[in-house]
Amino acid sequence: NAGVTQTPKFQVLKTGQSMTLQCAQDMNHNSMYWYRQDPGMGLRLIYYSASEGTTDKGEVPNGYNVSRLNKREFSLRLESAAPSQTSVYFCASSYSGGGQSPQHFGDGTRLSIL
Amino acid sequence: AQSVTQLGSHVSVSEGALVLLRCNYSSSVPPYLFWYVQYPNQGLQLLLKYTTGATLVKGINGFEAEFKKSETSFHLTKPSAHMSDAAEYFCAVSAAGGSQGNLIFGKGTKLSVKP
Repeated sequence: NAGVTQTPKFQVLKTGQSMTLQCAQDMNHNSMYWYRQDPGMGLRLIYYSASEGTTDKGEVPNGYNVSRLNKREFSLRLESAAPSQTSVYFCASSYSGGGQSPQHFGDGTRLSIL
Repeated sequence: AQSVTQLGSHVSVSEGALVLLRCNYSSSVPPYLFWYVQYPNQGLQLLLKYTTGATLVKGINGFEAEFKKSETSFHLTKPSAHMSDAAEYFCAVSAAGGSQGNLIFGKGTKLSVKP
């Protein structure tokens, strides 16, 4: 099984450009998440989707939008990239949103904004 | 509100020595607790989890953790470190019975293993 697949793996953008990070899972999970990881900060939740058709803000949603395209896919969009959004972005999924289902992570997208 | 504190951003041990990574949590409801490991340039992998039941939880690669409610702790241990254990480790908490499985992560502890 591929698990959680993120594309692209690396990206360099200029300030003000837009881009969409893609995430797909093949585990029939209901819930999906987007995190950013910055040195010394751990992982911080940007947005999540508890089930198909729903999305909610996490801890650091400003500057981002998401789309739960279907049960498998959950994309993250940066409309106007800023240097402060330079980070490693992780997508994750879990079977349920009830708290005890472990989350499964992709390998990340390393994004640099100049 | 929930929070996680990992004591020590860097821990260094010798190969064969005991590994002890500390995690304390704060939660107003019974917590679910997780330890994840991250190898360089990879995503996070689940090591072990505590939901209910036995407070000593065994995970992969010889790791285990004990849930101590009175101390609000969930420390990760391994009796004998191996070079391959060098990685960053994250403790996380979620709310039992919550409608969303949102995890709150600690800031991570980077484990170095000396030969």
